[in-house]
Amino acid sequence: IAGITQAPTSQILAAGRRMTLRCTQDMRHNAMYWYRQDLGLGLRLIHYSNTAGTTGKGEVPDGYSVSRANTDDFPLTLASAVPSQTSVYFCASSWSGMADTQYFGPGTRLTVL
Amino acid sequence: DQQVKQNSPSLSVQEGRISILNCDYTNSMFDYFLWYKKYPAEGPTFLISISSIKDKNEDGRFTVFLNKSAKHLSLHIVPSQPGDSAVYFCAASARYSGAGSYQLTFGKGTKLSVIP
Repeated sequence: IAGITQAPTSQILAAGRRMTLRCTQDMRHNAMYWYRQDLGLGLRLIHYSNTAGTTGKGEVPDGYSVSRANTDDFPLTLASAVPSQTSVYFCASSWSGMADTQYFGPGTRLTVL
Repeated sequence: DQQVKQNSPSLSVQEGRISILNCDYTNSMFDYFLWYKKYPAEGPTFLISISSIKDKNEDGRFTVFLNKSAKHLSLHIVPSQPGDSAVYFCAASARYSGAGSYQLTFGKGTKLSVIP
C-alpha cells in the first residue's frame, strides 16, 4: 500500500457503544491527525500527534481519545458514542508537525443511532 | 469565531471558462495557505499552496493569489474542466510565525460545478 488507509469504511453504531477507528500510513510521516467533516462546518481537527508517543487536542476533542504507539498507526476511540458524533472522519499525515502538506485517507462514515 | 471563511458555498462555471474561488482569513498570524480538493466519498487531496512571502503561485491550470493586506486569497482555475467539479477547501496555518500553530484551520468549502 502507499498512503493512508482507514477502517472501517463505514459503520452504524448504537449510542453508548465503544468504537475505534483505525488509521495506518506507510509514508513514514511523523505527524498524524484526525478530522471530522460535518455538513456546513468543513473539516475540524479532533486530535493530532506530532511524533510517535505524543498526542494533542485539536478544536473538538471531547468524547474522543487517541494513541500513537508507533509511527504508522493512529487509532481514534469513541469511548461511549453519542448521536452528535455522527460524521465522516478523516485521518491525515504529514512529514512534520509544522503544517507541512497533509495527506488524507479516504474517510470513515460513522452513524450513531 | 471562524478564522478561515469561504463565503460562497457553491459556484457554477461553464467548461473552458475561469473558476475563481475565494477565501478570507482573520488571523494575522497565518502565513501559509493551502487549497484542497475533495471528491465525494474520497479524502481531500492537496492542490496548491502559497506562503506569505509570495503573492502568487502557479501550477498548471491552477493559480493561487494572496493579498495579505486584505487577508484574502483566491484560487483560479483556467480553463475549467468538468473533472474539476468538487468541493474546494481553503486552509491556513501559522507555519513560520513561531506561534506554535502546526494545525491547519480549514474553511467550510466551496462546491464547484463545471458545466460541460
